[in-house]
Amino acid sequence: DAKTTQPPSMDCAEGRAANLPCNHSTISGNEYVYWYRQIHSQGPQYIIHGLKNNETNEMASLIITEDRKSSTLILPHATLRDTAVYYCIVRVHSLNYGQNFVFGPGTRLSVLP
Amino acid sequence: KAGVTQTPRYLIKTRGQQVTLSCSPISGHRSVSWYQQTPGQGLQFLFEYFSETQRNKGNFPGRFSGRQFSNSRSEMNVSTLELGDSALYLCASSIQGGNTEAFFGQGTRLTVV
Repeated sequence: DAKTTQPPSMDCAEGRAANLPCNHSTISGNEYVYWYRQIHSQGPQYIIHGLKNNETNEMASLIITEDRKSSTLILPHATLRDTAVYYCIVRVHSLNYGQNFVFGPGTRLSVLP
Repeated sequence: KAGVTQTPRYLIKTRGQQVTLSCSPISGHRSVSWYQQTPGQGLQFLFEYFSETQRNKGNFPGRFSGRQFSNSRSEMNVSTLELGDSALYLCASSIQGGNTEAFFGQGTRLTVV
């Protein structure tokens, strides 16, 4: 699975959009970008994933650059409850590949009142 | 729909003892993965079970083992506990594995004294 690089920490004002970047310059054609977050001492929570088109769900939007070497997770209106560590993971998306995510250190997002 | 259930939530054991942790996946999910989370090493993949067979294995010693039952419930066993095994152990379930998102439980916090 391709390696990802994320900033170690970010701050965001409550009510504003939080834009979390992720670099994955070695991503290959069959690898998807996944985002998870972990609120203190809880299990990681799935947010969104995508291949090359932008994706949106009730939690967030995922913007993937055309060359797929980087992506941005957007939380449109951050709340205090969005304070968490956000993990960007790149992995093969295959029925037979197995469910073994490689988590990096992630980005610690602090939403400030 | 019930989420992933891990039991017990907290556990204290003595060095040299063994421990068994349990994970009940979301109904209909056949893949169960286990992860260890420590402050120093972060989230690390232990192993994945699919249809009662170990499909993937991380880089952990043989003291760490697991199994999956026909109802997809999984257990993880650690023998001859060491102080360094103190960690949050997380279980994740998914429908089939590599082509679907995974949902994590709240974890079992193991303390070895």
